This record gives sequence, C-alpha cells and structure tokens, in this order.
Amino acid sequence: NAGVTQTPKFQVLKTGQSMTLQCAQDMNHEYMSWYRQDPGMGLRLIHYSVGAGITDQGEVPNGYNVSRSTTEDFPLRLLSAAPSQTSVYFCASSPTPPWGSRAKNIQYFGAGTRLSVL
Amino acid sequence: KQEVTQIPAALSVPEGENLVLNCSFTDSAIYNLQWFRQDPGKGLTSLLLIQSSQREQTSGRLNASLDKSSGRSTLYIAASQPGDSATYLCAVGSSNTGKLIFGQGTTLQVKP
Repeated sequence: NAGVTQTPKFQVLKTGQSMTLQCAQDMNHEYMSWYRQDPGMGLRLIHYSVGAGITDQGEVPNGYNVSRSTTEDFPLRLLSAAPSQTSVYFCASSPTPPWGSRAKNIQYFGAGTRLSVL
Repeated sequence: KQEVTQIPAALSVPEGENLVLNCSFTDSAIYNLQWFRQDPGKGLTSLLLIQSSQREQTSGRLNASLDKSSGRSTLYIAASQPGDSATYLCAVGSSNTGKLIFGQGTTLQVKP
C-alpha cells in the first residue's frame, strides 16, 4: 500500500541547476498533479495531468515542465532553478479531477519534497 | 478570481473543547468544497468533501457545512483531542477555473 511516493525528500540546488522531482502512484489513478506550498500562501497548482500523454498548466507553471508517459509516473522538472522556487512540493493523485462534479473524497498526497535553491 | 480565506491562522484550545474552523470563498460557482488535514512535515490527508448540492458532511467527530450563497464553510470538531493538533486546509473546486483553490490553513493546537 505505497500510495503516492515522492523522491527525493530534501534537495539543495544552486541557482541555474536543473533537476527532476519524481512522483509515482500505484493506485491506477488517472489524475495527477503537482503543487507548491509556501508559507502563508496555501497550496498552488503547478501542472496537472488527466491521463497518460495529457498534461496542462496550473496557476504557477513558469519554470517547470512535466510529462506523463505512463499512468504511474508524473515527474516535475525544474529547468533552471531560481531562489523563488524554494518551496515544498507535493504530488497528488485521484481517480477523477478533484475539482469537478464527479470528485470523490479520495485524493492522495505524497509526503513532499523540500527544495532549497541558493 | 476565486479566493479562499481561512481565519484565524492559528488556534489553541484545551482538550475536550468543541471548536469551529472557518473557511470563506469569494465565488459561489463551485463544484465542491473539501477539508484536509496536514501534520508537520507530512502531506495532506483528505477529511471531508461536500458537493455543491449538499449542505454538510460528517465523519466521526468531524462535521463540515457549506453555505454557497454566503461563501462560507465551517469544520466542526467535537470533543477535541491532542491528536487533532495539525493544520487544517479547505479548498474549493472552482467550476469557473476548473481548479482546486486552497486556503492558507488554520494551525490548531489542542493542549492536554
């Protein structure tokens, strides 16, 4: 019963470096998303996917790329890290989009990746 | 633009007290409203989801209500326990933007 697995748990980058945050789920959920959480600002949606091969932008997509080649994996790529990307990143999955009329109270979050960009 | 606000940002109560957490939103065009719990250093756990056509949902000692016309939801916690200490976030499923919009959260401390 792994649920949503995020790696790494912690990461320190220098400005300009690139990296990939990994997210995997074993529940065969179609919908996956990435959020960032900053102090006093709640969670903000970066990118999301409604199925393999389909991705779309959220509220704060600039500086991030995603792809969804399989149902299980949804990696988030930082192209050229900036100090403004220092944050805690969460990956989530659910059977259906959590905002819609068919949403169910079955949304699973990973434990988060704490990223510092110096 | 949908905005979700949770007041207060922090709350401290003695064990056993019944308490209410508040969530307000600016746009009544929503599909649902959800409450989550977040423990320190952990991800979010879904607590309750209220569809826009519903008025309330209950799970154990938790009861969430929704008043779309006034843009408000409350999370009622009965007989609070130290184990309830966590940050509680509400989020609305916006039908205008097709996104889940989160509030900033209320950090609850229940003292033994």
